[in-house]
Amino acid sequence: DAGVTQSPTHLIKTRGQQVTLRCSPKSGHDTVSWYQQALGQGPQFIFQYYEEEERQRGNFPDRFSGHQFPNYSSELNVNALLLGDSALYLCASSPQGQGIYTGELFFGEGSRLTVL
Amino acid sequence: AQSVTQPDIHITVSEGASLELRCNYSYGATPYLFWYVQSPGQGLQLLLKYFSGDTLVQGIKGFEAEFKRSQSSFNLRKPSVHWSDAAEYFCAVAMEYGNKLVFGAGTILRVKS
Repeated sequence: DAGVTQSPTHLIKTRGQQVTLRCSPKSGHDTVSWYQQALGQGPQFIFQYYEEEERQRGNFPDRFSGHQFPNYSSELNVNALLLGDSALYLCASSPQGQGIYTGELFFGEGSRLTVL
Repeated sequence: AQSVTQPDIHITVSEGASLELRCNYSYGATPYLFWYVQSPGQGLQLLLKYFSGDTLVQGIKGFEAEFKRSQSSFNLRKPSVHWSDAAEYFCAVAMEYGNKLVFGAGTILRVKS
């Protein structure tokens, strides 16, 4: 059973460009959350998707947007990239949005974005 | 607002020695507390969680944590560290019925032989 898979694993962009990161949740999971982990920091919640809708959002600007597809996979899009967007972007999946409390929140290995 | 403080950025212990990683939280209501571990090239893995009840909780890989409301702490412990425990450890808190985790900045554990 594949866990949470993310792509690409590494990518380099320049300031002002746009990036799309992809996440496939663990089998049986329908909820996807995205976190940003800057170097030396803990992960910060960006948003969560459930039933193809953004259910909750953290303190991130509108340059960060997402999408969830009918097969529960998700994309994170970041427009007008800034140097400060360089980070590891983590995707986490859970069943029915309650994974935090049941211990069924599973994280992918992340996509490392470098903005030059 | 919720916040989590992990006072130690790095900790080095000898293999076989005991370990305690500190975590303090700030949250007005009953916290939901977690410890995650992140090894290089791997995603975050849940070690243990506390919601209510017994304040000493057991987790995977021989880890345990104790919730102390009076000190707003949730420290992680292990009686005997193995070289494979070298990783970064994150304490996190969640609101009741919330959908997000708030993480501390992490503690990097180094194990020397």
